[in-house]
Amino acid sequence: QTVVTQEPSLTVSPGGTVALTCASSTGAVTFTNYPNWFQQKPGQAPRALIYSTSNKHSWTPARFSGSLLGGKAALTLSGVQPEDEAEYYCLLYSGGGRVFGGGTKLTVL
Amino acid sequence: EVQVVESGGGLVQPGGSLRLSCAASGFTVSSYYMNWVRQAPGKGLEWVSVIYTGGTTYFADSVKGRFTISRDNSKNTLYLQMNSLRPEDTAVYYCARELSSGPDYWGQGTLVTVSS
Repeated sequence: QTVVTQEPSLTVSPGGTVALTCASSTGAVTFTNYPNWFQQKPGQAPRALIYSTSNKHSWTPARFSGSLLGGKAALTLSGVQPEDEAEYYCLLYSGGGRVFGGGTKLTVL
Repeated sequence: EVQVVESGGGLVQPGGSLRLSCAASGFTVSSYYMNWVRQAPGKGLEWVSVIYTGGTTYFADSVKGRFTISRDNSKNTLYLQMNSLRPEDTAVYYCARELSSGPDYWGQGTLVTVSS
């Protein structure tokens, strides 16, 4: 069973830039893992941000971007806003199934 | 407007069964891959199952052999039949539509509690 690893927590200043990463226990993350990123705030359902590595949904703010970086999937937030404080989850496709990472708690301070 | 609404959660004893429903509006369930995802209290997201448009299904190892996923095209509804429930199955269960290799629309979830 694939294990997907994310940073447990990160802190960023308002207006700053931060990159969250997503690694796979089976090796380098590639576009065939179709990396997805989700944002979840307390008491709310997850909200989709990025699909298939770097594609944004119609509602995804422009400051969010997805990429592959050094064998990992990455979510970069540029010009962070206070409302970006949340838990962020990546999702990788593995065979016919999907696997979520453990999540990154992003603090804006 | 695309919307999915889960229902059917509740309190069930260990070893019991429960069927969750996910009613869709604004799109046709049979035309999309549909997923179930769960979240235990205070924990992260866990993918549970997917059904493809052609009917192929996949499950997480943690539920394989105990859960089944299905849909009723006439009701535009997705289901998750959960048998042999365990305390570790306690979670909020979300249904999510999948488009272009990514779950896009999610419901608000339904809580399943497995306890004696």
